[in-house]
Amino acid sequence: GAVVSQHPSWVICKSGTSVKIECRSLDFQATTMFWYRQFPKQSLMLMATSNEGSKATYEQGVEKDKFLINHASLTLSTLTVTSAHPEDSSFYICSATGQGETQYFGPGTRLLVL
Amino acid sequence: GNSVTQMEGPVTLSEEAFLTINCTYTATGYPSLFWYVQYPGEGLQLLLKATKADDKGSNKGFEATYRKETTSFHLEKGSVQVSDSAVYFCALSHKYNNNDMRFGAGTRLTVKP
Repeated sequence: GAVVSQHPSWVICKSGTSVKIECRSLDFQATTMFWYRQFPKQSLMLMATSNEGSKATYEQGVEKDKFLINHASLTLSTLTVTSAHPEDSSFYICSATGQGETQYFGPGTRLLVL
Repeated sequence: GNSVTQMEGPVTLSEEAFLTINCTYTATGYPSLFWYVQYPGEGLQLLLKATKADDKGSNKGFEATYRKETTSFHLEKGSVQVSDSAVYFCALSHKYNNNDMRFGAGTRLTVKP
């Protein structure tokens, strides 16, 4: 149990376009979902926390207008990178918690902006 | 604030060697502690966890004990295998802080046959 999926697993886009990444909890209801960014050979950096039906809470330094997060249901959260630029290229990982505090992570989405 | 410091890598061991990856934390109250493993090109997988002092988490031959007196959660394995090669992240989560998780920098382990 406690499986989290992400789609797509990788995406290449042109600079200036927007990219949407989906995060789904497959076998549990996720009251809270988290979005992380990971640069090569570095740790995960928390970008934002979202609770179903409410606005996401962004970490300091993360532009909320650039990284739009929607948590419309208890099993789905989306991250949209708007007007992507090459510096947005990264590995984006989501995680979800149910009733407990253990976070279950998705497999990640690798974004390359040309 | 809450933070995690773990041993810098990379760590290279021969198969069947003993592994220790040190992890210490700073937090108020009683956080939960975790070890996650990341295989190349993949997301993070929960390896083990401990939710209170003196708890021992264990999985796949790995174990770690929650030591409040030394604020540590060192990861150990008695005999590593080539398949254990991965990056290991120590992390803490505080349920009173909306469960947000703080990660250590990660330690890359390479096990050679």
